[in-house]
Parts: sequence; structure tokens; C-alpha cells
Amino acid sequence: GENVEQHPSTLSVQEGDSAVIKCTYSDSASNYFPWYKQELGKGPQLIIDIRSNVGEKKDQRIAVTLNKTAKHFSLHITETQPEDSAVYFCAASAGGYQKVTFGIGTKLQVIP
Amino acid sequence: DARVTQTPRHKVTEMGQEVTMRCQPILGHNTVFWYRQTMMQGLELLAYFRNRAPLDDSGMPKDRFSAEMPDATLATLKIQPSEPRDSAVYFCASGLWRGVDTEAFFGQGTRLTVV
Repeated sequence: GENVEQHPSTLSVQEGDSAVIKCTYSDSASNYFPWYKQELGKGPQLIIDIRSNVGEKKDQRIAVTLNKTAKHFSLHITETQPEDSAVYFCAASAGGYQKVTFGIGTKLQVIP
Repeated sequence: DARVTQTPRHKVTEMGQEVTMRCQPILGHNTVFWYRQTMMQGLELLAYFRNRAPLDDSGMPKDRFSAEMPDATLATLKIQPSEPRDSAVYFCASGLWRGVDTEAFFGQGTRLTVV
């Protein structure tokens, strides 16, 4: 089955700096890579996703990149703000009837 | 504002008791997931349904856990008998699968404590 590894497990950045979270996956059939943000006491919320026919996708201050050859994908947050503080999860899915497998999560702290 | 609704939000129960968690998926979604979240294991998929049929429940301890969808607006996860190691946050998520992949929308979760 799919195995998703995520690092770092914790990340502290100064407000205004960039944050990068990296994930690797094992199943070459995976073709859908969502990223979720989980705030304290809430469920994970989808913030951005990327599909295997795209190498990069941006949405305002967040961007995701995908390297299918290396089976790597990353989340980039620029100009970080205190409200970006949360746990971020990457995930991978081969689509169709396949499961979505999550990484272990990265706790991001943005220091004002 | 469409959202996945889970009840109860918190549940404290004694070991050996039956626990039932409920989920109302977003109207029109055809896929429902149950996840368990713990500090040690992160988010684990327990089971998922498509068009109310169970597609995969391999992540669920079969001897004590059961998941059902009595109708399209209700999914249930039962634990009987409950054990302290079942203490976790249980999330339901729903999505619309249209033949490619499923974007999952999560509920707020049920925090279960078994004492």
C-alpha cells in the first residue's frame, strides 16, 4: 500500500518568512496530492491540491510542487502570518477506489 | 454553508460500553470516510463508503468496530465493547467522486475517551 512520509514534524518561522514542508510517497500510481490544514479542535481542511499532470500550483501565498520522478511533493507558504500556525498534513491517493493516505503532520508555528 | 456534521463532539465512556458516533455527510456527496486520529499514529483510515456501499474497511478492528450507512444522509461508526486504547478523535469526511479522485471535507470530529 501507499506510504507517505512528511517532514519536518515541527517548524517554527518568524512572521513574514517562508515555510516549506516536504513529503514523499511510495506508490507510483498515486496521482492526487491534497494538503490539509488542521487548527486546534477542528477537523482538517483542504487548502490546496495538485494532480499528477501538473508540476506546480499556486493560490495566493501557498504553492505546491510535485516531482513525480522522485515521488516528492512540497508545500510552500510565503509571507507567513500568525494565523498560518496549525498542523499541516500532506496526503496521496491513486484515485478511483484507492485510499487517501496521510502523512504524520507538521506543526507550524509562526512567531509574531 | 455545506458542512459535515458529527455527533457527539465529545464522549466519555467506561470500558466495555457501546459507543455510537454519527455523521451527516454534505448533501450530494457520494463518498464517506471514517478516520481515527491519535498523536502516535496520526490520521488512519478506518473505512470508506461509496454510494452507501462499504469499499474498504481493512483499517478497522473487525471484532469490535462496525461502520454502516443506513441512508445517504447518515453514517455511523460503532465500537462494542470499547477499550481505553480506542480513545482518539474520530473524523468523518465526505466527498464527491466523479471517476477520478475524491476531495474530502472533514467534520469537526468526535473526541472519544474510554476510561
